[in-house]
Amino acid sequence: ETGVTQSPTHLIKTRGQQVTLRCSSQSGHNTVSWYQQALGQGPQFIFQYYREEENGRGNFPPRFSGLQFPNYSSELNVNALELDDSALYLCASSFARQGPSGRTDTQYFGPGTRLTVL
Amino acid sequence: GQQLNQSPQSMFIQEGEDVSMNCTSSSIFNTWLWYKQDPGEGPVLLIALYKAGELTSNGRLTAQFGITRKDSFLNISASIPSDVGIYFCAGPLGNYGQNFVFGPGTRLSVLP
Repeated sequence: ETGVTQSPTHLIKTRGQQVTLRCSSQSGHNTVSWYQQALGQGPQFIFQYYREEENGRGNFPPRFSGLQFPNYSSELNVNALELDDSALYLCASSFARQGPSGRTDTQYFGPGTRLTVL
Repeated sequence: GQQLNQSPQSMFIQEGEDVSMNCTSSSIFNTWLWYKQDPGEGPVLLIALYKAGELTSNGRLTAQFGITRKDSFLNISASIPSDVGIYFCAGPLGNYGQNFVFGPGTRLSVLP
């Protein structure tokens, strides 16, 4: 059984650029959630994807967008990068038992992508 | 929005000592999760609690789901150097637990 993987490990961008982060979910999981973790804080929920559709969103602007693919892997895209976007971006996978309105099982995290915006 | 509070914010203990930390919320949760995060890594799930009053152990770790469903406790017995890290509690938001809210964390340092 493979765990959650993320790429790249580290990334440096400049303000105004766009970035794409990638996540492969754990084997058997069908749901992916993305979190932003600023230094010294707990993870903040960005959004969740189930069956290739957004299934919940936190308090993040529209320039944060995502995709989920048929193999349940996912991408996080951030446009018009700002300095405050510098953070560790975490992907977590889980299994939703009863479809998009069903209970989501415990989430397992990948190692994260460290994004630095200069 | 819903927030979780964790205490203490940080703690320094001697190797071999027991550790207690807690997490509180102004809202009721139906699930409590405890994670540990090492520097530069993603959080690793330690214990999941699904029922009020539930007491669950994982090796030297024991966690309890508070009766009021607004708090949870994590205890670590006989601490060792590898227990160093940040411990987060988390609970699900949304009607179907679509996402989880995390506390600010308790930073644990173990002195030899």
